[in-house]
Amino acid sequence: GESVGLHLPTLSVQEGDNSIINCAYSNSASDYFIWYKQESGKGPQFIIDIRSNMDKRQGQRVTVLLNKTVKHLSLQIAATQPGDSAVYFCAENNAGNMLTFGGGTRLMVKP
Amino acid sequence: GAGVSQTPSNKVTEKGKYVELRCDPISGHTALYWYRQSLGQGPEFLIYFQGTGAADDSGLPNDRFFAVRPEGSVSTLKIQRTERGDSAVYLCASSPARDRSYNEQFFGPGTRLTVL
Repeated sequence: GESVGLHLPTLSVQEGDNSIINCAYSNSASDYFIWYKQESGKGPQFIIDIRSNMDKRQGQRVTVLLNKTVKHLSLQIAATQPGDSAVYFCAENNAGNMLTFGGGTRLMVKP
Repeated sequence: GAGVSQTPSNKVTEKGKYVELRCDPISGHTALYWYRQSLGQGPEFLIYFQGTGAADDSGLPNDRFFAVRPEGSVSTLKIQRTERGDSAVYLCASSPARDRSYNEQFFGPGTRLTVL
C-alpha cells in the first residue's frame, strides 16, 4: 500500500547515476533469487532473476550479481531514472516453492 | 493479457468479524500463492496451491486463516474472528510453474485489510 517501506533503508541517487542495491540472504540452500520492485499501492513487480549456477545476469539497464560465498546479492541499475523510485526487495527460493523476501530498500531518485 | 487481480482493493472490518479476500490468477497458471505484507516489511508467505490442493500451508499463522481454490483457478483467503494484528496488505501471486525449477511469481495489487 501507500505506506510500504516507511522504515526501510533508503538509497538516494541523482538522476542518470548508477544505483547499487544490496541484499544478504540467509539460506545457503537457496538456488533461485529474484529482485522485485514495489511502487506505492501496487504489488511487487518482477525485475530480474538469477539461478545459483550463475554469478551474473544482465537485463535491460539492470544487472544482478550473486556471491554465494558470502551469501550476497546485488542489483545494479544503470542510468537511474525518476521512474525507478520505489522499494526494492530481493527474494530467495530454496526447498519449498514459496519465496522468502528480504527487508527491502527504498530507492529515491533526485532530478 | 490480464495480470493477477484481487478484490476488494480495500477492506475495513471490525474486530471479531469474518472476511474473504479473492484472487484471480493469470489464466493457465497452475501455482497460486498468498503472502501478507505488514507495514515497512517484505511479503511473508502464507500458503501455496498447486492446482486445487494446498501444497504448503506452513505460513498460515493460526487456524483462523484458511484458503481454498476449488476449481484450480480463483482462490479465496478466509479469515475468521479477525484481530487488529491481522491488518496488512494481502498479496496473491501466480506462477506457470509445475515444478520448482522455474518459479517466477506474478503478483496482484493486493488487498489492504484494516481491522478496527
